[in-house]
Amino acid sequence: NAGVTQTPKFQVLKTGQSMTLQCAQDMNHEYMSWYRQDPGMGLRLIHYSVGAGITDQGEVPNGYNVSRSTTEDFPLRLLSAAPSQTSVYFCASNLVASDNEQFFGPGTRLTVL
Amino acid sequence: RKEVEQDPGPFNVPEGATVAFNCTYSNSASQSFFWYRQDCRKEPKLLMSVYSSGNEDGRFTAQLNRASQYISLLIRDSKLSDSATYLCVVNGGGTYKYIFGTGTRLKVLA
Repeated sequence: NAGVTQTPKFQVLKTGQSMTLQCAQDMNHEYMSWYRQDPGMGLRLIHYSVGAGITDQGEVPNGYNVSRSTTEDFPLRLLSAAPSQTSVYFCASNLVASDNEQFFGPGTRLTVL
Repeated sequence: RKEVEQDPGPFNVPEGATVAFNCTYSNSASQSFFWYRQDCRKEPKLLMSVYSSGNEDGRFTAQLNRASQYISLLIRDSKLSDSATYLCVVNGGGTYKYIFGTGTRLKVLA
């Protein structure tokens, strides 16, 4: 199993550009989520999904869109990048029951100039 | 008040020392509790779940105090390789969301 994979590992954007961060898992997990991590802020939940076709907002959803057309994939779209979106982005997956371990991808380091 | 709060540290301890971290949470309906470890510039990884009766995994002991709404992590006989950031995570309380603390940084010194 590859676990949770994320692409790209690094990305530099200019303000106003759009892009999609890719996330995929091969563990048949229902639950997938996106976090951003900034210095001193810990991991903050952006969006999450409890299954294909179902998504919901987390703590900091503004400026980001998600969709979940398959169990395996959960892409995160930045429609118009802003410098405030410079961060490290982690995707995670787990079985739906709340006492289950979350498995994280290696992260995407995004810089918006 | 943040939903999950941790002392950011850093905790600088010598090898072989015992060190303890606490984490408080605000949602009394929370059901699941975890400690994750994060190495510099890496993804978080599960260290251990925290059970109501407390649990131990080698040199690591986790405790839950529901009445005071905190969890703790005790590391005995610290190793250099224990140097990392330890994240407290809380889940449940009517939501699927996992809420992360900001992390406590530990440095074990030779």
